[in-house]
Amino acid sequence: NFMLTQPHSVSESPGKTVTISCTRSSGSIATRNVQWYQFRPGSPPTTVIYENDHRASGVPDRFSGSIDSSANSASLTISGLKTEDEAVYYCQSYGAGVVFGGGTKLTVL
Amino acid sequence: RLQESGPGLVKPSETLSLICSVSGGSIRHSSHYYTWIRQPPGKGLEWIGNVFDGGHASYNPSLKSRLTISVDTSANQFSLKLTSVTAADTAVYYCVRTAEWEVADFRSWGQGTLVTVPS
Repeated sequence: NFMLTQPHSVSESPGKTVTISCTRSSGSIATRNVQWYQFRPGSPPTTVIYENDHRASGVPDRFSGSIDSSANSASLTISGLKTEDEAVYYCQSYGAGVVFGGGTKLTVL
Repeated sequence: RLQESGPGLVKPSETLSLICSVSGGSIRHSSHYYTWIRQPPGKGLEWIGNVFDGGHASYNPSLKSRLTISVDTSANQFSLKLTSVTAADTAVYYCVRTAEWEVADFRSWGQGTLVTVPS
């Protein structure tokens, strides 16, 4: 099966834009949909992006998803950062089984 | 909404049993996959398995020999039983409902429950 590699952590200031990458190790990123999940302490995890670029219900349009076949990666972009966006974000796809990225801790400072 | 329940401490070699109570929709004849996912402390997420269409279960091959996932439609719940646990099974366990007809689009998550197996 393939792996999904994410940066361990990213940080940015409030109001700025940040992009989190998720690189597929083998096979095309376009083969299967990519989802993104937000994990915040004290709250149930939530879906942010499904099917590569669809915002889940209730997710503000500051969040966007995309895939780049040339880089074989998916990206989650958050614009107009707010302190409440501070969380761990996981990408996820499917091959021979379910594959999760290692997670990226976003710090908004 | 999904809510996990079960003991927070399980002794080595015993059986870990968790229940997920589902509200806001019937689990009977559902087009969703009802799934368990876990996350050991400081580690990544691991798909455990799922149940679909009231009883058809699929399991992570690495856990299959110890695992049972089943549905209680009368109680609108699904459950996980993992036998012969070790400290490696210590994790936060999440119950999750997928999007309709999608095996790997985890749309609704429970709060998660920490299960500890002492070494």
